Amino acid sequence: DAGITQSPRHKVTETGTPVTLRCHQTENHRYMYWYRQDPGHGLRLIHYSYGVKDTDKGEVSDGYSVSRSKTEDFLLTLESATSSQTSVYFCAISQNNPDTQYFGPGTRLTVL
Amino acid sequence: DQQVKQNSPSLSVQEGRISILNCDYTNSMFDYFLWYKKYPAEGPTFLISISSIKDKNEDGRFTVFLNKSAKHLSLHIVPSQPGDSAVYFCAASRGGSQGNLIFGKGTKLSVKP
Repeated sequence: DAGITQSPRHKVTETGTPVTLRCHQTENHRYMYWYRQDPGHGLRLIHYSYGVKDTDKGEVSDGYSVSRSKTEDFLLTLESATSSQTSVYFCAISQNNPDTQYFGPGTRLTVL
Repeated sequence: DQQVKQNSPSLSVQEGRISILNCDYTNSMFDYFLWYKKYPAEGPTFLISISSIKDKNEDGRFTVFLNKSAKHLSLHIVPSQPGDSAVYFCAASRGGSQGNLIFGKGTKLSVKP
């Protein structure tokens, strides 16, 4: 299995609070991705990174920001969480793009 | 506008029989296709892939077929086992800077003993 961890694995927060999710990899892969999975929607790309400090928006980027200061870490921030951001968030990595992506275990976020 | 469609939300199959999961796509620029399997409370795991220069790829019990003219791919699992019960996602991408994966909504496969 690819060395990808996500933290926290579960989080409950209140509307309007900031939240940061962390993805950490030990594979030295160049590309990192954040997805959200919702019933009836499959996996949707939020943001991705193609190198340190290099990021770009995905399909559903509104309300989210990301940062990548080191190869191994990719952070997803919800500046002011809303109930519509209640979801399961997955991080993924790949060596190239396009290429097979390997996923982390996910973070279940509930915004009350 | 869905570019990758999995029109069957669920599929039930008897153990030992063949499972066929289907996926349609609309973007003729897609040239790389993947299947992922996902168990509850876990991340998706890569299963098998195929590039557009091929029409078939096999890996053990899993075979993916690609029909470019119909913009259709399918995953065959033979024989199906209860441990195959999971949600299966189809994904597609095109080369170059637009190579991000586009996922279908998934098909839940139940293999009954």
